[in-house]
Amino acid sequence: GAGVSQTPSNKVTEKGKYVELRCDPISGHTALYWYRQSLGQGPEFLIYFQGTGAADDSGLPNDRFFAVRPEGSVSTLKIQRTERGDSAVYLCASSSRGGGAGNEQFFGPGTRLTVL
Amino acid sequence: GENVEQHPSTLSVQEGDSAVIKCTYSDSASNYFPWYKQELGKGPQLIIDIRSNVGEKKDQRIAVTLNKTAKHFSLHITETQPEDSAVYFCAASPFTGNQFYFGTGTSLTVIP
Repeated sequence: GAGVSQTPSNKVTEKGKYVELRCDPISGHTALYWYRQSLGQGPEFLIYFQGTGAADDSGLPNDRFFAVRPEGSVSTLKIQRTERGDSAVYLCASSSRGGGAGNEQFFGPGTRLTVL
Repeated sequence: GENVEQHPSTLSVQEGDSAVIKCTYSDSASNYFPWYKQELGKGPQLIIDIRSNVGEKKDQRIAVTLNKTAKHFSLHITETQPEDSAVYFCAASPFTGNQFYFGTGTSLTVIP
């Protein structure tokens, strides 16, 4: 079946601009996660959705970052007033049951964001 | 929060040899430990995982061992092949948590 998909695959923007990154999880998966991966590092947690609600947003670095999942499926990560330090690969993952609790997370290919 | 350390950062082995990657974690509440393989330009893909109620798990050429007392776990790849070349990440997750805590990755190169 189809895996997690993310669009766009690459996004180049200028400092100060607004960007939206989209994630389509595996059909039927209730849990959705956003991670950020800087060059040479492991993924770092940003936010976790269970259904439509953000169950844990403790990883969002500041209030420029926001994510929504209005219908419990597709999610959009929104970054306002982008800064050069926001440049990274943004990964989305989904899971059938949610929580960390030994539930496999399936990752998408990521969106590479470059802020000039 | 949890802190996961991973070693080595790079590893080169001859085809057919074994590769071992080691991780330590800090939070005794962590009880799920997945390993992911990431190829260039792709997202991480789960290759094997282990839960805290077992000490070892094997899947063909790949095995993972867990020592809860010492808070470390290791990935073992035997009979390595060139297609095993990739970046490998370990991760830890507490049962009540919502996220995975990842190590910094090991770039494995298998030399034909």
